[in-house]
Amino acid sequence: QKEVEQNSGPLSVPEGAIASLNCTYSDRGSQSFFWYRQYSGKSPELIMFIYSNGDKEDGRFTAQLNKASQYVSLLIRDSQPSDSATYLCAASRGTGAGSYQLTFGKGTKLSVIP
Amino acid sequence: GAGVSQTPSNKVTEKGKYVELRCDPISGHTALYWYRQSLGQGPEFLIYFQGTGAADDSGLPNDRFFAVRPEGSVSTLKIQRTERGDSAVYLCASSLGLFSSTDTQYFGPGTRLTVL
Repeated sequence: QKEVEQNSGPLSVPEGAIASLNCTYSDRGSQSFFWYRQYSGKSPELIMFIYSNGDKEDGRFTAQLNKASQYVSLLIRDSQPSDSATYLCAASRGTGAGSYQLTFGKGTKLSVIP
Repeated sequence: GAGVSQTPSNKVTEKGKYVELRCDPISGHTALYWYRQSLGQGPEFLIYFQGTGAADDSGLPNDRFFAVRPEGSVSTLKIQRTERGDSAVYLCASSLGLFSSTDTQYFGPGTRLTVL
C-alpha cells in the first residue's frame, strides 16, 4: 500500500517567519515528489517538485528530499498571509505499476498570522 | 494558454441517476488523469490516459465508473447508478506525457458532485 503521510495541522506561523511542512512516504519506489498548494474551495496548484536528494530552491520556497529516510519537506521563507492554504505532498513512481499516478497525502493546513 | 477546464463546475443529482463529467486538457498534453477528492482528504487517483487509451484504471472504485477519451483530447468520466458516497470533487489533470516521474500534472478547477 502506497502511503504519503502529512501532519494535518493546522500549522500557525507569524507573518515573516519560516513555515516548515513535512511529509513521509512508504513506497521506496517513489522517485519524484510534488508540493501543491490548495486554497479552500480551489484546485491544487503546483509549487515545485524534487527528485534528487538534497535541497531545491525556488524563490521563497525550498523543497528538501531525503530518500534514505523517506522524508520530504517544504520550507516557506518570509511567510505571508496569502500563503495560508492547505499544502499537499504527492509522490510519483515513474516506473512499474502505477507509474505516473500521484499518491497524495491528506495535506497540511497552514495559517500565517499577520 | 488556457489551463485545464472542467464542466460542469457543480452537479447535483439524485441517487441512482447517471452523470457525465467533462475535462478539456491543456493543449498539447497527451496525458490526462482523473482524481477524486473528498472533504479533508488529498486527491485520490482514479484513471490515467495516454492518448486515447486508458493506461491505468486501477483507481476506479467499481464498474459503475467509466471514462473515455475518444480523440485523445477531451475526456468524459461517467458514473452510473450514483450513490451518496460518490459525492466529492472530481479533479482532472493533464501533463505532457513524458513517461517520467517528473512529468508535472496541472489540475483543472474540478467538478463538485453532490448525490442526494
